[in-house]
Amino acid sequence: NAGVTQTPKFRILKIGQSMTLQCTQDMNHNYMYWYRQDPGMGLKLIYYSVGAGITDKGEVPNGYNVSRSTTEDFPLRLELAAPSQTSVYFCASRDPKGDEQYFGPGTRLTVT
Amino acid sequence: QKEVEQNSGPLSVPEGAIASLNCTYSDRGSQSFFWYRQYSGKSPELIMFIYSNGDKEDGRFTAQLNKASQYVSLLIRDSQPSDSATYLCAVRDGNNRLAFGKGNQVVVIP
Repeated sequence: NAGVTQTPKFRILKIGQSMTLQCTQDMNHNYMYWYRQDPGMGLKLIYYSVGAGITDKGEVPNGYNVSRSTTEDFPLRLELAAPSQTSVYFCASRDPKGDEQYFGPGTRLTVT
Repeated sequence: QKEVEQNSGPLSVPEGAIASLNCTYSDRGSQSFFWYRQYSGKSPELIMFIYSNGDKEDGRFTAQLNKASQYVSLLIRDSQPSDSATYLCAVRDGNNRLAFGKGNQVVVIP
């Protein structure tokens, strides 16, 4: 099992550009999450999904969009990138019957 | 807005000592509580979870929960240099979402 994988690992965007952060899990988990972590801070929930076709906003959804067409994939779309979106982005998944959220390795995004 | 507070600054402990971390939460209806460890530049990894009032021990780690006072703590006994990391407290709500504190950095001095 690869667990949760994220691509890319690093990205530099110019203000106003768009990009998609990819997240894939091979554990057949229904629950998936996107977080951002700013320096010295905890994780803030952006969006989450409890299954294919179902998504919902978290604490900080503005400027982002998600889709969940399959159980495995949960891409995060940034439209019109802003410097405030400079952060490390983590994707996670969880089996509804389990306790642990499994995190991907993260994507470090810089918007200049 | 559900809040999870970890207000202590960096904690330096000598090797072999006990490190004590505290966390308070605002949502009295919270049922599940988690401690994650995060090494610099890495993703968080779960080290403990607790549901019931009292203590839960796993190796050198003990989680303590007091729902009446709305706090959860983590003790690390016999601290090792490999325990140097940031420890994140997290609380799960009724919609299966985790709210995280900002973390406490622990530095174990050999």
